[in-house]
Amino acid sequence: DVKVTQSSRYLVKRTGEKVFLECVQDMDHENMFWYRQDPGLGLRLIYFSYDVKMKEKGDIPEGYSVSREKKERFSLILESASTNQTSMYLCGWGRDRDGYTFGSGTRLTVV
Amino acid sequence: GESVGLHLPTLSVQEGDNSIINCAYSNSASDYFIWYKQESGKGPQFIIDIRSNMDKRQGQRVTVLLNKTVKHLSLQIAATQPGDSAVYFCAERSKGGGNKLTFGTGTQLKVEL
Repeated sequence: DVKVTQSSRYLVKRTGEKVFLECVQDMDHENMFWYRQDPGLGLRLIYFSYDVKMKEKGDIPEGYSVSREKKERFSLILESASTNQTSMYLCGWGRDRDGYTFGSGTRLTVV
Repeated sequence: GESVGLHLPTLSVQEGDNSIINCAYSNSASDYFIWYKQESGKGPQFIIDIRSNMDKRQGQRVTVLLNKTVKHLSLQIAATQPGDSAVYFCAERSKGGGNKLTFGTGTQLKVEL
């Protein structure tokens, strides 16, 4: 099975800091994505990547950017963290014949 | 915009009973649906999926039913166990939407002993 690893389970950052969330998959899959999860709102797509250096905005890309320099690694970047970006961030990869796999998530708190 | 919603935020069942979790979707162009289970502190775990050309699919103790006429999806769990306690999400993928999924807000399943 493909394993998706997120670099941190918990992070606490200050407002205005630049934050990097890392996600690594152990197979050579093209599609990777970042969602955030908030109570009452479910999972919302931030960014999606179809391949190296390719990205597509999701439903809530504002305040975020991404980097995909290698196929196995997809990074989410908060250029200037704000308190409304406190959330659970979920990374994964997907294709419909295999379903969509998620990592364990990174709970980010911005103070 | 399109939305995927759940009828009940919390469902309580007795151990051994069958559970039914419902999901309504509004995008008639959706062609693929997934149910996920999420336990506390973990990421969503894939349970079962179904394509729009099917109306039923069975797994181990789980069955997904799809009614395209009323845009309704359900997850049935047979002989519910304490380990089934979790939040369950449905998700849909639209034709032409790439591989992006739209999720519902989730239903909390509580199994009472």
